[in-house]
Amino acid sequence: EIVMTQSPATLSVSPGERATLSCRASQSVSSNLAWYQQKPGQAPRLLIYGASTRATGIPARFSGSGSGTEFTLTISSLQSEDFAVYYCQQYNNWPHFGQGTKLEIK
Amino acid sequence: EVQLVQSGAEVKKPGESLKISCKGSGYSFTSYWIGWVRQMPGKGLEWMGIIYPGDSDTRYSPSFQGQVTISADKSISTAYLQWSSLKASDTAMYYCARPGVDTAMAPFDYWGQGTLVTVSS
Repeated sequence: EIVMTQSPATLSVSPGERATLSCRASQSVSSNLAWYQQKPGQAPRLLIYGASTRATGIPARFSGSGSGTEFTLTISSLQSEDFAVYYCQQYNNWPHFGQGTKLEIK
Repeated sequence: EVQLVQSGAEVKKPGESLKISCKGSGYSFTSYWIGWVRQMPGKGLEWMGIIYPGDSDTRYSPSFQGQVTISADKSISTAYLQWSSLKASDTAMYYCARPGVDTAMAPFDYWGQGTLVTVSS
């Protein structure tokens, strides 16, 4: 089983600032890594797949990078609607999600 | 427009059986896998398993193998998740979801609205 570890658990950032979220895999997942956003009471929404490709309709302020075991989601200038929980997911073999990072307003 | 519409919330007692559903529309139901994801109260997402309605090929996460059954009825474009004997620890929100490509091990582009299952005596 590939374990996905996200850090930090909670990130406090002011609107307009940059947020950087990390995700580490216990073994290489190549570029088979996705990021999701989940707001309270809503289903998750796919943001990034293939480690760096934005899903349809996702704003350019969201970007993903990394390969192998280390991945990053960057939100360049936080908007009020971006405060949510973010999950990474590897799909190199049996898909597994990370435990999530809560992005909160500072 | 791709849509996944799930059945409504359920309240059950331990030991009871349950089958929840997910109806797909706006695409060829038999051409894409449909998966299930569990989210326990206040917790993260867990990938449970996935089915290809075209031939009922089903894959289960080792964590959920033997605990649930995933099935599909392609004649009515509906996938199912069922339990034969519920436990209190099955209390969770369950989402169905579909990858954007016709591959089992792929991210989920489309999601249902979720079905809340509460198991309590």
